Amino acid sequence: QVQLVESGGGVVQPGRSLRLSCVASGFTFSNYAMYWVRQAPGKGLEWVAVISYDGSNKYYVDSVKGRFTLSRDNSKNTLYLQMNSLTVEDTALYFCAGDPWADYWGQGTLVTVFS
Amino acid sequence: DIQVTQSPSSLSASVGDRVTITCRASQGIRNHLAWFQQKPGKAPKSLIYGASILQTGVPARFSGSGSGTDFTLTISSLQPEDFATYYCQHYDSYPFTFGPGTKVDIK
Repeated sequence: QVQLVESGGGVVQPGRSLRLSCVASGFTFSNYAMYWVRQAPGKGLEWVAVISYDGSNKYYVDSVKGRFTLSRDNSKNTLYLQMNSLTVEDTALYFCAGDPWADYWGQGTLVTVFS
Repeated sequence: DIQVTQSPSSLSASVGDRVTITCRASQGIRNHLAWFQQKPGKAPKSLIYGASILQTGVPARFSGSGSGTDFTLTISSLQPEDFATYYCQHYDSYPFTFGPGTKVDIK
């Protein structure tokens, strides 16, 4: 069955960096665009970014542009989110996910930015 | 960017009630809309895509309708396991914005 497993979250100070990973299994990862969605504590879902199936195209929500970078390694079925210059507003549970018309979601990894 | 609104933001209902949630996009999105259910501490679960297509395994009491800018999610007879927060999301153009959510709780 489809499985997405995120890792890399943690507690960091403002201005620092983190790299999230998402390992996929149960489907042909290299055929699909992949997404990151985040949810701040007690808040709704926020779509963050997308990377095309081959990594050639990426799109970011304005609030993370210039700070977050998506990449993927299709040989390892792994998606990455490099997060730089973190702020307290980036505190959230980060989910990797597939297309909105699929039901591919990880369980999330928690990022806490705390001074 | 396309904005997505939902109404109501919350509702209280009883088991067996018919529940309707509305989602509105700031511009036409054809039928490029999905609905998700989320329970506390869990990942969202896809219910409907293409505005009206039920995901595999989703009970038939869930249905979706609409096209263009106005969409609805209907639960025909609310069950105990349906108490959750519901989100719509458009996927017509990036960014694929989510609505703010509708929390359905027990009356």
